[in-house]
Amino acid sequence: TQLLEQSPQFLSIQEGENLTVYCNSSSVFSSLQWYRQEPGEGPVLLVTVVTGGEVKKLKRLTFQFGDARKDSSLHITAAQTGDTGLYLCAGAAGGTSYGKLTFGQGTILTVHP
Amino acid sequence: DVKVTQSSRYLVKRTGEKVFLECVQDMDHENMFWYRQDPGLGLRLIYFSYDVKMKEKGDIPEGYSVSREKKERFSLILESASTNQTSMYLCASRTGGTDTQYFGPGTRLTVL
Repeated sequence: TQLLEQSPQFLSIQEGENLTVYCNSSSVFSSLQWYRQEPGEGPVLLVTVVTGGEVKKLKRLTFQFGDARKDSSLHITAAQTGDTGLYLCAGAAGGTSYGKLTFGQGTILTVHP
Repeated sequence: DVKVTQSSRYLVKRTGEKVFLECVQDMDHENMFWYRQDPGLGLRLIYFSYDVKMKEKGDIPEGYSVSREKKERFSLILESASTNQTSMYLCASRTGGTDTQYFGPGTRLTVL
């Protein structure tokens, strides 16, 4: 069974601060995805990283996939109150797994004005 | 845009009742998934279906069953609801060739 350890579980910061969320595993993933979930809604995909060492930017969000494709990070620059939510990383095993994803435990981010 | 809908946003049932959670997707996706989400545990896969009438157990299938009679619809069944099945249930779908899953809004089930 593949496991994804996500940290920290909770983050409470002031607007304008920077933050980083980590996802780590001993398993190799064919791709890693980051989702964001707002209260009362399902997760929505932010980004997919596929290549080891890949870095993707989405405005103030920077996503990195580790060289060995076992870990990933999400960095938010100058956080805003609108960034508040639950962030989930999810790894895909690839092959004949029918697209099954292994999810991290999630990071609840609260950005205070 | 892909749309995944779930039949109820909130549901309250009593212990021992049979519970049906319905999920419908409108994008002709082959694969569909049922997860439960609990604080601190992330999303855990209950069952998934890779084609009509085809299903496989996920990580926590005990106490659940599923049905997929049509490609667009995937149902989760709690044969005899128990209080430890109180949770948020999320349905997702995916098309082959991509790892992206599209989620419904979730059903928050409370079993009393």
